[in-house]
Amino acid sequence: QKEVEQDPGPLSVPEGAIVSLNCTYSNSAFQYFMWYRQYSRKGPELLMYTYSSGNKEDGRFTAQVDKSSKYISLFIRDSQPSDSATYLCAMSRGSNYKLTFGKGTLLTVNP
Amino acid sequence: GAVVSQHPSWVICKSGTSVKIECRSLDFQATTMFWYRQFPKQSLMLMATSNEGSKATYEQGVEKDKFLINHASLTLSTLTVTSAHPEDSSFYICSASAFQGSSYNEQFFGPGTRLTVL
Repeated sequence: QKEVEQDPGPLSVPEGAIVSLNCTYSNSAFQYFMWYRQYSRKGPELLMYTYSSGNKEDGRFTAQVDKSSKYISLFIRDSQPSDSATYLCAMSRGSNYKLTFGKGTLLTVNP
Repeated sequence: GAVVSQHPSWVICKSGTSVKIECRSLDFQATTMFWYRQFPKQSLMLMATSNEGSKATYEQGVEKDKFLINHASLTLSTLTVTSAHPEDSSFYICSASAFQGSSYNEQFFGPGTRLTVL
């Protein structure tokens, strides 16, 4: 079993839709949970990070972590064509530890 | 946010030659730099972690004699792929972070280097 599982998609939605992305993991030592956005042939950029369980909101983006289920989610409200990218979840045991990434989900938001 | 650059962005080389990739933190001092490899439609896989002035720590399965990492300063790390072979063709991405005590130490990623070995 891989440490982090993420459905690679692809996921295609109309503009304005609510998008739900998620990852599951097996290592209970993970404490930090991140979501990155990666455009084609570019490096990932951090969208949000969450420490331990709970929710975090930033504009149209909401991250949720459920450590009891080892399940994390990213919700995008009012999705825009500019949100089209690959979304990667990542996790680490500590703030300066290595990141373990999911495969990434390719999202396309159609105008 | 902080800026990390990589050079070159794209390189083609012949099998058996060596290729050096540079990673620079442009506006901060990076106490730690990471090197990742990403194959098409695959996740980023950590190859090694390096701290300035120390030997790199390689992940299991990564040949340290093949992938030479040097982190000579707080703003520069290099990855040299020695005796490259077609199976080394991949997207190599570096990231850099600065230790900030108790707060989360975000890794800032470079734009990546696409290596093609013929």
